[in-house]
Amino acid sequence: QKEVEQNSGPLSVPEGAIASLNCTYSDRGSQSFFWYRQYSGKSPELIMSIYSNGDKEDGRFTAQLNKASQYVSLLIRDSQPSDSATYLCAVKEARGNTGKLIFGQGTTLQVKP
Amino acid sequence: DVKVTQSSRYLVKRTGEKVFLECVQDMDHENMFWYRQDPGLGLRLIYFSYDVKMKEKGDIPEGYSVSREKKERFSLILESASTNQTSMYLCASNLKTREQFFGPGTRLTVL
Repeated sequence: QKEVEQNSGPLSVPEGAIASLNCTYSDRGSQSFFWYRQYSGKSPELIMSIYSNGDKEDGRFTAQLNKASQYVSLLIRDSQPSDSATYLCAVKEARGNTGKLIFGQGTTLQVKP
Repeated sequence: DVKVTQSSRYLVKRTGEKVFLECVQDMDHENMFWYRQDPGLGLRLIYFSYDVKMKEKGDIPEGYSVSREKKERFSLILESASTNQTSMYLCASNLKTREQFFGPGTRLTVL
């Protein structure tokens, strides 16, 4: 059974701090990785996608990928109360071409003013 | 911008009713997906479709069926709704193996 693991949290950080969200995956052949943000009662919204080892930055968000360690993370700099949400890590199945993603359970982030 | 729409935001049905949830995407995506999301259980894939009239079971297909007669439209059908199908239902679509885009969700309550 392919798995994506996240710490459910809650992860609590003060406003202005860096929030670090982590995700590990079991399918060694996976090549595509995604981070989604989900506010309570809303649907998931794509924040970042990453396909190559290393860092990818977009504004206050940085995604980091290490395929050898099967680890992907999301850093949020200068965290704001509006960043308080659940963050879902998703990994594209290595086998096949169906577009199926495997989702982690999500990490709840709380940014305290 | 990709747009995925779902027919209802909130729906209340009675046990035993047949329920139709519709999803429409406007970006010519091949793949469409139906998930349900419950507290503590995360997103669970019910069914997906990779082409018109083509479908595959996901992780929890029991009690559900789907229909995809047109590329842009993917319907989820609850043949005889039960209380344990009370949930948030999310539709998503993507192009080949790229990121999935989600609709706003339908919160279904079965009484």
